[in-house]
Amino acid sequence: AQSVTQPDIHITVSEGASLELRCNYSYGATPYLFWYVQSPGQGLQLLLKYFSGDTLVQGIKGFEAEFKRSQSSFNLRKPSVHWSDAAEYFCAVGIVQGAQKLVFGQGTRLTINP
Amino acid sequence: DAGVIQSPRHEVTEMGQEVTLRCKPISGHDYLFWYRQTMMRGLELLIYFNNNVPIDDSGMPEDRFSAKMPNASFSTLKIQPSEPRDSAVYFCASSTYPPEGAQGYTFGSGTRLTVV
Repeated sequence: AQSVTQPDIHITVSEGASLELRCNYSYGATPYLFWYVQSPGQGLQLLLKYFSGDTLVQGIKGFEAEFKRSQSSFNLRKPSVHWSDAAEYFCAVGIVQGAQKLVFGQGTRLTINP
Repeated sequence: DAGVIQSPRHEVTEMGQEVTLRCKPISGHDYLFWYRQTMMRGLELLIYFNNNVPIDDSGMPEDRFSAKMPNASFSTLKIQPSEPRDSAVYFCASSTYPPEGAQGYTFGSGTRLTVV
């Protein structure tokens, strides 16, 4: 069965600093991969997704993620964070064929220091 | 499109009462999903539909939970009777297959359920 691990429960960075959120997945084939962001009391907003092709994916709000098959990773990055990026970030993996459901990681809470 | 629409946004009910959560998926999406989010268990898939037919309900916690999708534009998740441990945020999502479009796998804003 597929699974997703986000090793960092909580990360704190300073405004303007770079950010990398880690995501590792377990799945036997190339999956669909997603990053969502959830602000307090809000729903999940899709930042970006990967299905195939270029392994570096650009998303909204200046985020990007890189799929590395050899490491089973899909880390999220942003060169310079803004205070408004403070939120919870979820990585998810979806099966390419058959049952089309997403499995989510436990999330990483991002705090921004001024 | 207005996105996935859920109602109500907040629901407070007494233990033992019936609760019905509603979802309107994005037009043209043939998959609909119900998720539950809690601090302890994170985001869990409860059930999903394809073309209005339930495909996998293995995540439904117990018989008190039921879900229906009478047509392509409406789904309900019902809890009867409700219990305090059902308190959570319930999300509905819809998607095409494969979910490669701009709105592939879109979530609603959720319903925050509190059972007292």
